[in-house]
Amino acid sequence: GQQVMQIPQYQHVQEGEDFTTYCNSSTTLSNIQWYKQRPGGHPVFLIQLVKSGEVKKQKRLTFQFGEAKKNSSLHITATQTTDVGTYFCVLTTDSWGKLQFGAGTQVVVTP
Amino acid sequence: DGGITQSPKYLFRKEGQNVTLSCEQNLNHDAMYWYRQDPGQGLRLIYYSQIVNDFQKGDIAEGYSVSREKKESFPLTVTSAQKNPTAFYLCASSMSPLAGAFFGQGTRLTVV
Repeated sequence: GQQVMQIPQYQHVQEGEDFTTYCNSSTTLSNIQWYKQRPGGHPVFLIQLVKSGEVKKQKRLTFQFGEAKKNSSLHITATQTTDVGTYFCVLTTDSWGKLQFGAGTQVVVTP
Repeated sequence: DGGITQSPKYLFRKEGQNVTLSCEQNLNHDAMYWYRQDPGQGLRLIYYSQIVNDFQKGDIAEGYSVSREKKESFPLTVTSAQKNPTAFYLCASSMSPLAGAFFGQGTRLTVV
């Protein structure tokens, strides 16, 4: 079935710096969702991307869906300690709505 | 308040015993999901359901069972056949496959 690779697996960031995490697939995706899970918490839905080349922004977070709909990225500017957590990209992989999570990018922010 | 509730938050069981984890939602969502998360790992799908009285196996269904007798409820039973049941179990619901999923607070199951 469809799978995605998330890179990097771990990301250490100095507070104030920018970083990007990527989600790559070998097949064309119908849509992609992004979630954030704080340490010890549960995943929280951030956004869904559906259209080729789509770009959506949420304050300091910018989400992008590739033109070929095979990859997606999450860019965070001016990282803050509140950005700590694991960011997952998620696919809808069949008509029954199976939500397939990527392995996630764990983000650690150094003050 | 609308939401999705998992109980209990922490659960301890002896090896060989079946245990049922509760998941209830009052969001009127059709889809419900169960995931397992091991320390430092991603989420793996156990079972999911789109409508009452129907559900599909996920990637790691062996040793687990579910039921969907009511739209609001999707309990998960961890049976004695599950070899490594100690994990963090997360339940989620969504209005549709293309809508974002809402997660419960999770149940941390420890089998000793």
